[in-house]
Amino acid sequence: GAVVSQHPSRVICKSGTSVKIECRSLDFQATTMFWYRQFPKQSLMLMATSNEGSKATYEQGVEKDKFLINHASLTLSTLTVTSAHPEDSSFYICSATRQGLYQETQYFGPGTRLLVL
Amino acid sequence: TQLLEQSPQFLSIQEGENLTVYCNSSSVFSSLQWYRQEPGEGPVLLVTVVTGGEVKKLKRLTFQFGDARKDSSLHITAAQPGDTGLYLCAGPYNQGGKLIFGQGTELSVKP
Repeated sequence: GAVVSQHPSRVICKSGTSVKIECRSLDFQATTMFWYRQFPKQSLMLMATSNEGSKATYEQGVEKDKFLINHASLTLSTLTVTSAHPEDSSFYICSATRQGLYQETQYFGPGTRLLVL
Repeated sequence: TQLLEQSPQFLSIQEGENLTVYCNSSSVFSSLQWYRQEPGEGPVLLVTVVTGGEVKKLKRLTFQFGDARKDSSLHITAAQPGDTGLYLCAGPYNQGGKLIFGQGTELSVKP
């Protein structure tokens, strides 16, 4: 099946620093990637839609200057958490959309655990 | 506004028992998907249901899509400890391939 990777899998940073998370589709091209945030014991909350070659579309309540998204190629999207604070600590998951014969399917990455001290 | 209401949110059962998880909405969905997620990992797609009234089976898991395409259920027969995890239903909303997720059901199967 399709594989999506994320790097790093875990990151610990100091408050005020920026952290970049990479999302790659390994065996297919994805025109659209999505970034989600998940708190413990909770469901996934969509943060933004990342389209190759254009600006990301952010969900209501998500600060675009705080969470910078770059979709540089059909296989890579990056999420940068700028000036991270402890409340940004969370599990960040990306997904990549693969166009099949009859429908689109989202494949999820393994997630990145961010801890801001 | 939560478009997909999932219940129960927590379920703890003994090995061998049966269980059903529900995913309900007041909106019609063109399809619904069920995912399973283990701690520290991303969700893994189990099934997509597309047709109203559709029933799909995946070994001991049975998925059903309501006739009106507003609800879905996941039934697990003879649950095993390996079934433990977070089960999520999701459906497309708006355009652009966005998915909205239910609150999730945390299932714990004790040996």
